[in-house]
Amino acid sequence: SQQGEEDPQALSIQEGENATMNCSYKTSINNLQWYRQNSGRGLVHLILIRSNEREKHSGRLRVTLDTSKKSSSLLITASRAADTASYFCATDLGPGNTPLVFGKGTRLSVIA
Amino acid sequence: SAVISQKPSRDICQRGTSLTIQCQVDSQVTMMFWYRQQPGQSLTLIATANQGSEATYESGFVIDKFPISRPNLTFSTLTVSNMSPEDSSIYLCSAQRGNQPQHFGDGTRLSIL
Repeated sequence: SQQGEEDPQALSIQEGENATMNCSYKTSINNLQWYRQNSGRGLVHLILIRSNEREKHSGRLRVTLDTSKKSSSLLITASRAADTASYFCATDLGPGNTPLVFGKGTRLSVIA
Repeated sequence: SAVISQKPSRDICQRGTSLTIQCQVDSQVTMMFWYRQQPGQSLTLIATANQGSEATYESGFVIDKFPISRPNLTFSTLTVSNMSPEDSSIYLCSAQRGNQPQHFGDGTRLSIL
């Protein structure tokens, strides 16, 4: 069963705007990861944030994690048309190497 | 990060037939997993491919339908057996080394007629 729920399910913005996607989960986690999937392709790993971290940055990406609220957010700043994709959060219930439990994903459309 | 090659990238198959999907990692990894993504849906774990022993299947997935092999630390196969149109999905393998992020292959898009 799905662990995470992304919000919103779909998001459409203009190029240059920021995009924020949220993820909520139900049980304690070891870490949380964000992935991007272009249409019909494999998943590209974006960021991993561990349960003892609160914020991470990677280029135009910023991820926050609030374990007390069991939620995470992914912010993409200065969006580009190439950012159009589906974004998934996935939780690793850990410790050790455990499978990921994926949320339902957010479909982001960036309009040029 | 591990580079994962998956093949075939896509196939169209007749119902009742079987297809084996291969997943090759460019270096030894601790864990390999197989996921299914039905049209418009998220990813669901099929099984954990264990090196040298039987795969660990999730609820709703059985070995007779989805036999998995993992003969070494860099290679795994998933067979989709006796296919029906309901098996039309993207099948993805992933690999993880130690405490590193899990990385995915490009997936196999399978259509059953």
